[in-house]
Amino acid sequence: GQQLNQSPQSMFIQEGEDVSMNCTSSSIFNTWLWYKQDPGEGPVLLIALYKAGELTSNGRLTAQFGITRKDSFLNISASIPSDVGIYFCGGSQGNLIFGKGTKLSVKP
Amino acid sequence: NAGVTQTPKFRVLKTGQSMTLLCAQDMNHEYMYWYRQDPGMGLRLIHYSVGEGTTAKGEVPDGYNVSRLKKQNFLLGLESAAPSQTSVYFCASSYTGRGRPAGELFFGEGSRLTVL
Repeated sequence: GQQLNQSPQSMFIQEGEDVSMNCTSSSIFNTWLWYKQDPGEGPVLLIALYKAGELTSNGRLTAQFGITRKDSFLNISASIPSDVGIYFCGGSQGNLIFGKGTKLSVKP
Repeated sequence: NAGVTQTPKFRVLKTGQSMTLLCAQDMNHEYMYWYRQDPGMGLRLIHYSVGEGTTAKGEVPDGYNVSRLKKQNFLLGLESAAPSQTSVYFCASSYTGRGRPAGELFFGEGSRLTVL
């Protein structure tokens, strides 16, 4: 079946650093979405992408829909402590499937 | 601003007991979903509904049943709970596909279930 490979699985951030994560698949999707889950909460939609090549920003977040329609990335610029959480990518061709998430934590 | 509301938030069951999780949404969404979240596994779809009176199986439906008797409610039932069903359960809802791209889900806060 369809699968999304999300990487990295986890990463540590220091305030002010830029962060990058991505999702890849062997399948083509019509929509790519990025969600964030804060501890103890449900996921919340950050960015939705509907066209191949589309680049969309939401504040310090930027996401792109890959030209091949098989991948997407999310960048966070100048990270702050409240960026910690789990980020999920989602790909949709009608039915939505999720990656396994990238967990952002603060560097000790 | 209720959005998607799940009850209960926490529950501990013994193996073999039954229970029902209730999901209610006040956004007049057609589609509703039940996911489970386990460490390292991401979000896996259990069952979903594309409208009142309809349900369909997702990726991991075994051991669960669902009902959508009213548009705003989606119930998830465990008839005979097993330790493997210990998880955090999330309900979500979304608009129809017509004019609205699929995937813009609104999630509840989750229900943490422990089966001993």
